[in-house]
Amino acid sequence: GAGVSQSPSNKVTEKGKDVELRCDPISGHTALYWYRQSLGQGLEFLIYFQGNSAPDKSGLPSDRFSAERTGGSVSTLTIQRTQQEDSAVYLCASSPLFGEGVGGTEAFFGQGTRLTVV
Amino acid sequence: AQKVTQAQTEISVVEKEDVTLDCVYETRDTTYYLFWYKQPPSGELVFLIRRNSFDEQNEISGRYSWNFQKSTSSFNFTITASQVVDSAVYFCALIPLISGGYNKLIFGAGTRLAVHP
Repeated sequence: GAGVSQSPSNKVTEKGKDVELRCDPISGHTALYWYRQSLGQGLEFLIYFQGNSAPDKSGLPSDRFSAERTGGSVSTLTIQRTQQEDSAVYLCASSPLFGEGVGGTEAFFGQGTRLTVV
Repeated sequence: AQKVTQAQTEISVVEKEDVTLDCVYETRDTTYYLFWYKQPPSGELVFLIRRNSFDEQNEISGRYSWNFQKSTSSFNFTITASQVVDSAVYFCALIPLISGGYNKLIFGAGTRLAVHP
């Protein structure tokens, strides 16, 4: 597709269950980001993938959170043993790296996955 | 340190007023990009503008204008004759182009703008 696609758009899960959130970036974009946004709050950085480099995981809030990016394309964010404080909108973005492609380095965002832990 | 500061948490104006959203950034890199994004109540993040560190020309796009000043490390955003549809959260962001390192998008905390009729 033309944009960043995230699935599911909404997810309700019971406390303690594991969830997987998926992100399909724009084709050819080397950089991929995950952010979290709680209601009325700013963007909390979670993890950043840059090409074949090791990801920057410095924003992951606990070891219950993990992410992978297979084949430099699709990314999955996994939250194990979900807690109510994990409820938020999870946003994925992709961008070309400086010097790649055309148009510059702006990040394009998906619509997000709204996660509700009950 | 790489950091973006948006000191104004919330701004409330009446329609047709001009409003300026402040953005101050910190980076040691000489090459970097600055951005503004808009997040309307519907939630999607919309890209507004990109500026690289070598281009200090101010830019105007309709009612929107941006003032980039390297001397004060600021990239302020002005909306002229604000409208209710401008109500949104506005984020300023930075990508420092670190050679051999992470070129990571860094966001400010956002400024919530409310434009009242």
